[in-house]
Amino acid sequence: SQTIHQWPATLVQPVGSPLSLECTVEGTSNPNLYWYRQAAGRGLQLLFYSVGIGQISSEVPQNLSASRPQDRQFILSSKKLLLSDSGFYLCAWRESSGTAYLMNTEAFFGQGTRLTVV
Amino acid sequence: GNSVTQMEGPVTLSEEAFLTINCTYTATGYPSLFWYVQYPGEGLQLLLKATKADDKGSNKGFEATYRKETTSFHLEKGSVQVSDSAVYFCALSDPPGGSYIPTFGRGTSLIVHP
Repeated sequence: SQTIHQWPATLVQPVGSPLSLECTVEGTSNPNLYWYRQAAGRGLQLLFYSVGIGQISSEVPQNLSASRPQDRQFILSSKKLLLSDSGFYLCAWRESSGTAYLMNTEAFFGQGTRLTVV
Repeated sequence: GNSVTQMEGPVTLSEEAFLTINCTYTATGYPSLFWYVQYPGEGLQLLLKATKADDKGSNKGFEATYRKETTSFHLEKGSVQVSDSAVYFCALSDPPGGSYIPTFGRGTSLIVHP
């Protein structure tokens, strides 16, 4: 069965420090991958998505970047964090095509990372 | 483009009350529809889904019926419990060949009092 791992669960970082959040998926190949941010009491904001290795699409201009160095690995990064980067970050995946997508069109989410920039 | 609209929260109920959370959608294709639940401090979990018109998704006492004529997918539960307190998201996914991006509503917070 497929699983998604996201770490760390919580992170407190000073303003101006770098960031690296990692997400890995097991049990599937060539998934579509997503990074979302959720501000307190708010809905989901799509930050990045990827349909293949090295292919990253950004939904909103911001202080963050994403990379997909391997098929099932998705990394969210920043060179210098801002206070406004605080929030709850969620990684998700979905089947991309073929029979698997026809059977399961839902997205599967990691447990999230609570980032507090101080 | 696709969009999902769900009722504003919070919804506050007493235990054993009936729950309805409204959800309507706009899509160019023939999407699959979902309800997700998010408990405090956790990621989203799939609660139920429906892939074609008139399908009823159900799980843990929750139900939702895919109504193509009204483009709706309302979530219902006959008797809520305190443990159902969470944020509920309505969502849709395009069929193959459509958008890569699943579309989510803004979420509805449910608070159930003993």
